[in-house]
Amino acid sequence: KAGVTQTPRYLIKTRGQQVTLSCSPISGHRSVSWYQQTPGQGLQFLFEYFSETQRNKGNFPGRFSGRQFSNSRSEMNVSTLELGDSALYLCASSLTAGLANYGYTFGSGTRLTVV
Amino acid sequence: AQTVTQSQPEMSVQEAETVTLSCTYDTSESDYYLFWYKQPPSRQMILVIRQEAYKQQNATENRFSVNFQKAAKSFSLKISDSQLGDAAMYFCAYASNYQLIWGAGTKLIIKP
Repeated sequence: KAGVTQTPRYLIKTRGQQVTLSCSPISGHRSVSWYQQTPGQGLQFLFEYFSETQRNKGNFPGRFSGRQFSNSRSEMNVSTLELGDSALYLCASSLTAGLANYGYTFGSGTRLTVV
Repeated sequence: AQTVTQSQPEMSVQEAETVTLSCTYDTSESDYYLFWYKQPPSRQMILVIRQEAYKQQNATENRFSVNFQKAAKSFSLKISDSQLGDAAMYFCAYASNYQLIWGAGTKLIIKP
């Protein structure tokens, strides 16, 4: 079966703009989690969505938001981009919420560069 | 709060030899899960091995095995018969309910 699909793979945006990233989980998986990966801060949890509801949120400013659709696809949005938002954004899917204990299936990420 | 520490930014090993990557963590919980993930240049994070803290037996997946020392809060990964395809960043992670807490990663270089 198809894996976790993230689009686009690369993105270049200007400071102050906004951006939307997309993630399609594995078929049948209903939970999507997002992580930010930077050289300085490493991997950090952004948020988790299940059944179109945000279940958990990491310590990120309100500029970072997301949503999940009825088909479990998720989008994350970053408004008023800052240089520090340049990162690899990874999406992970699981059958249901709170399954970090069992390990996720990750996508290949979206590399966002803010200039 | 839980923390995960990987003290080796980079390791290298000769092809076919064995290498051990170190990881320590800090937690006040008694039951938890630990992971090793591999991130090759393709960027996709791939689950290598999973350990349940309440299980005494060390997890093993083919050439990959862990040395889990609960009292010492240590969770090292041993890769036997290293192959060129093992070259990647390796991340140790702790599962805290709904999220993973990650170490900084170790870059593994395989010398042919």
